[in-house]
Amino acid sequence: TQTVSQSDAHVTVFEGDSVELRCNYSYGGSIYLSWYIQHHGRGLQFLLKYYSGNPVVQGVNGFEAEFSKSDSSFHLRKASVHWSDSAVYFCAVSANYAQGLTFGLGTRVSVFP
Amino acid sequence: GALVYQYPRRTICKSGTSMRMECQAVGFQATSVAWYRQSPQKTFELIALSTVNSAIKYEQNFTQEKFPISHPNLSFSSMTVLNAYLEDRGLYLCGAREHYNYAEQFFGPGTRLTVL
Repeated sequence: TQTVSQSDAHVTVFEGDSVELRCNYSYGGSIYLSWYIQHHGRGLQFLLKYYSGNPVVQGVNGFEAEFSKSDSSFHLRKASVHWSDSAVYFCAVSANYAQGLTFGLGTRVSVFP
Repeated sequence: GALVYQYPRRTICKSGTSMRMECQAVGFQATSVAWYRQSPQKTFELIALSTVNSAIKYEQNFTQEKFPISHPNLSFSSMTVLNAYLEDRGLYLCGAREHYNYAEQFFGPGTRLTVL
């Protein structure tokens, strides 16, 4: 069984700042990782994914994430946030890409002007 | 592009009654559909994973008797919440994907269920 941990419940940043959202997972084998964003009252929007290859993956809207097997992590980053990035961000894992996802508790990002 | 629609977007039902929700994939083949629930102030829980021409796999704490799912073709799935009670309220999402390597799940906007 895989588990995922997002250590920060809430992150506050100013527009133009960089942000890093942490995600750590536990699973012994190959793992499929992804990040999703949920704006208030809405569903989930896909940001990016990793399964193999280059550990740094680029996503939509300037987001990127880096996979680290040694740290069991898949942290999400953005160099310069915009107010529209205010949302809840979910890290998700599965044992392979064909299975359902296990989600973290989410990190709420508040971007102030 | 790949889109997933869910219907209805919001629904209210009386305690003890049932409610059916639908999920439609457009622009790709929904070989597998996963249903999730986000209870108030919580994260998303996987209810079940349905793959066309395969048995539906339910997660622990969720059963076919309570959440029957239909996935008759590569564009449509439905799930019913039978005998709904307060603990069943929340946002129900369907995530659909094609079966090629590393394909991501595309999510619909969800059906928000309120139980009175």
